[in-house]
Amino acid sequence: EPEVTQTPSHQVTQMGQEVILRCVPISNHLYFYWYRQILGQKVEFLVSFYNNEISEKSEIFDDQFSVERPDGSNFTLKIRSTKLEDSAMYFCASGAGRVAEAFFGQGTRLTVV
Amino acid sequence: KNEVEQSPQNLTAQEGEFITINCSYSVGISALHWLQQHPGGGIVSLFMLSSGKKKHGRLIATINIQEKHSSLHITASHPRDSAVYICAVDLEYGNKLVFGAGTILRVKS
Repeated sequence: EPEVTQTPSHQVTQMGQEVILRCVPISNHLYFYWYRQILGQKVEFLVSFYNNEISEKSEIFDDQFSVERPDGSNFTLKIRSTKLEDSAMYFCASGAGRVAEAFFGQGTRLTVV
Repeated sequence: KNEVEQSPQNLTAQEGEFITINCSYSVGISALHWLQQHPGGGIVSLFMLSSGKKKHGRLIATINIQEKHSSLHITASHPRDSAVYICAVDLEYGNKLVFGAGTILRVKS
């Protein structure tokens, strides 16, 4: 069964460092998403991406965040200068349509120290 | 105000019991999703609904669009059903899911 793959599964980084979280969505999907879940809280939307551009972003997704689909298969989330409050589980998801079953990756647990 | 509310927050059941988890929403939606999150953190899609009822094995999901309410039922519950069950909605206008806080289910043998 096709699946969304995320790497790494866990990353520890120093405050102020840049991190890149990587995702390989399901190959025929067109809509891509990043969500995050701070420990003990609900999942929050960060950004959606369609047709090689951001279609929607949340207030959380400020200038320190960026997304890219560099090669037609990978979908990356970059955090330029990490803060302690960026520590969370980050989920990538993809879907075949705007309203479609969502397929989630296993998540990347980011710990900022 | 939360756009998606789930109840209960926590639920403990004995193996074999019939379980119901509820979700109410206050916004216009295109579809509603029921998701399962295991202790390792991964999220799995169980159902996507825009009307009526769906069934998969021991799981049943229903939605009432007029009432803005959905339920997830688990029949003959089993300890392996223990997980967090999350309701999320596709907004009518937008390209994102809005999540409820989740229901932590523990099924005891």
